[in-house]
Amino acid sequence: QKEVEQDPGPLSVPEGAIVSLNCTYSNSAFQYFMWYRQYSRKGPELLMYTYSSGNKEDGRFTAQVDKSSKYISLFIRDSQPSDSATYLCAMRDQGAQKLVFGQGTRLTINP
Amino acid sequence: DSGVTQTPKHLITATGQRVTLRCSPRSGDLSVYWYQQSLDQGLQFLIQYYNGEERAKGNILERFSAQQFPDLHSELNLSSLELGDSALYFCASSVGGTSVDEQYFGPGTRLTVT
Repeated sequence: QKEVEQDPGPLSVPEGAIVSLNCTYSNSAFQYFMWYRQYSRKGPELLMYTYSSGNKEDGRFTAQVDKSSKYISLFIRDSQPSDSATYLCAMRDQGAQKLVFGQGTRLTINP
Repeated sequence: DSGVTQTPKHLITATGQRVTLRCSPRSGDLSVYWYQQSLDQGLQFLIQYYNGEERAKGNILERFSAQQFPDLHSELNLSSLELGDSALYFCASSVGGTSVDEQYFGPGTRLTVT
């Protein structure tokens, strides 16, 4: 079993919809949680960075962490065609250097 | 643009060969990380250097090695290449070497082994 599980999709929604992306994990030592966006043939771009449990909002994006359930989410409001990309969750524990990534979810927003 | 640069963008080579991938971190960043992204394995951490010293090691094969130079650029050397080494190789950098530091990724090098 992988440390981080993420549904690879693909996920296709109409423009303006609310998108929910999720990851589950098994390592209770994970403390830092990130969401990266990766456009085709590009490097991952950091979108959201949260520490421990709670919510963080940045414009149309909201990240949620529920450590008791070992579950993290990214919500995208008023989705745009430019949001079409692969979204990767990543996490690491205190003192660790490496990021552990989910498989990524391929998202398409249809105009 | 993250500020991390990688060269070359694409590399096509034959099995058994050796290649070198290069990475320049963002200005001021001391840590460099290397990751491999393949369709079946996703993004996998290979190795990290901090200010010239190896800091952490992940799923890096013995045929692979890396180093970070005094000017902080890093090179990843892949030898005795196999078909399964075909993947995207990303470099990331961060200011320090701790778990709180955000990592910024370069555009990647696409390696094709034929």
